Amino acid sequence: DTGVSQDPRHKITKRGQNVTFRCDPISEHNRLYWYRQTLGQGPEFLTYFQNEAQLEKSRLLSDRFSAERPKGSFSTLEIQRTEQGDSAMYLCASSEGTEGNTIYFGEGSWLTVV
Amino acid sequence: GENVEQHPSTLSVQEGDSAVIKCTYSDSASNYFPWYKQELGKRPQLIIDIRSNVGEKKDQRIAVTLNKTAKHFSLHITETQPEDSAVYFCAASTPLDLYSGGGADGLTFGKGTHLIIQP
Repeated sequence: DTGVSQDPRHKITKRGQNVTFRCDPISEHNRLYWYRQTLGQGPEFLTYFQNEAQLEKSRLLSDRFSAERPKGSFSTLEIQRTEQGDSAMYLCASSEGTEGNTIYFGEGSWLTVV
Repeated sequence: GENVEQHPSTLSVQEGDSAVIKCTYSDSASNYFPWYKQELGKRPQLIIDIRSNVGEKKDQRIAVTLNKTAKHFSLHITETQPEDSAVYFCAASTPLDLYSGGGADGLTFGKGTHLIIQP
């Protein structure tokens, strides 16, 4: 399978703990995006990378959230001191990186904070 | 920033009938409009997209129309089948602002339409 892959698929954590999600984009895709989706809503943009550079962060991305893409390939999204409001599906997506390119999503990582 | 409105939130049609979902967007600079289908617990999957230099695009039973002047676009599904039941999201993409160095060439999504195909 050469699609976008995410790990773990499901994570249950206690409030206050840190969690990290990993995303492996489609090979040779320059752009990598993180979105968050809650039940009954469309995906909401969090941040994106052009190669290893993080070019934009949404105001939804609080100081507790940090994303990296150190070598321009895989990316990690870390949430520190999780809160119940962080419970959502975190979707990673990638595209070739030219304007208006098709964006392909991974299966998502479900986070439940208890 | 971009704002995308989607209607209706729920749409129930008889199998074999047509379904139409409508979206409006606010940023006239948006130039790419994909539609995604999402089944429960699954990833959003692209079903069709249209760029701002085209007014209509069709792929078998699915078509999308774009009216740039009115800033709205629509998804049309003909001869609906039970497997068409899902949540459909429209989205709009504003191009990266190369001069400011910022601006997400990501997608702004509508809130989704739950399409139910009645047998």
